[in-house]
Amino acid sequence: DQQVKQNSPSLSVQEGRISILNCDYTNSMFDYFLWYKKYPAEGPTFLISISSIKDKNEDGRFTVFLNKSAKHLSLHIVPSQPGDSAVYFCAAHPLLTGGGNKLTFGTGTQLKVEL
Amino acid sequence: DGGITQSPKYLFRKEGQNVTLSCEQNLNHDAMYWYRQDPGQGLRLIYYSQIVNDFQKGDIAEGYSVSREKKESFPLTVTSAQKNPTAFYLCASTHTGTGGHPPLHFGNGTRLTVT
Repeated sequence: DQQVKQNSPSLSVQEGRISILNCDYTNSMFDYFLWYKKYPAEGPTFLISISSIKDKNEDGRFTVFLNKSAKHLSLHIVPSQPGDSAVYFCAAHPLLTGGGNKLTFGTGTQLKVEL
Repeated sequence: DGGITQSPKYLFRKEGQNVTLSCEQNLNHDAMYWYRQDPGQGLRLIYYSQIVNDFQKGDIAEGYSVSREKKESFPLTVTSAQKNPTAFYLCASTHTGTGGHPPLHFGNGTRLTVT
């Protein structure tokens, strides 16, 4: 039962263009969402997050959009750079966990930014 | 520099042997986590600990055991009962009790291969 879904396993974008990575979730109890970036043979690093009370959060070249009614969020990277090539994981945090910062992760999208 | 150290980076074991993966953090984080990553799948939570001498099962705890005798250390033992132990194992940590949703900090992982 995949509660957080990233339906595109891979995405290829030209340098300088916009990258849009999508994420869908099924659990309406999720109230906080995060994006992590992962290079091969390394651990994921936190990129950006958004609370369910917002519909947009921006940090430099990265913007996350949340559509609660559609249970959908997206990560926009503008402009895309070769160093952005990595696997991007969407993660969700439920409102009530009973303790513990327990995240549910999507399967990841491999982004390749080409010159 | 503060961070999370996982060792070794690569580990090879014969089927039927128990193996322990090390995770040490000097971030003074209260909570620590073990995740497993398999190809085409997201990160799945094995065990987590919010405080010394206490830990809880995650979504896929069967065949694994942990201990939390020190705040800095959260070793994971992969036992012979784990049916598919070959995977990339990630340790993470975060603060607790600060409110909000502090992001997880990850180590660089240990790739375990069991033959």
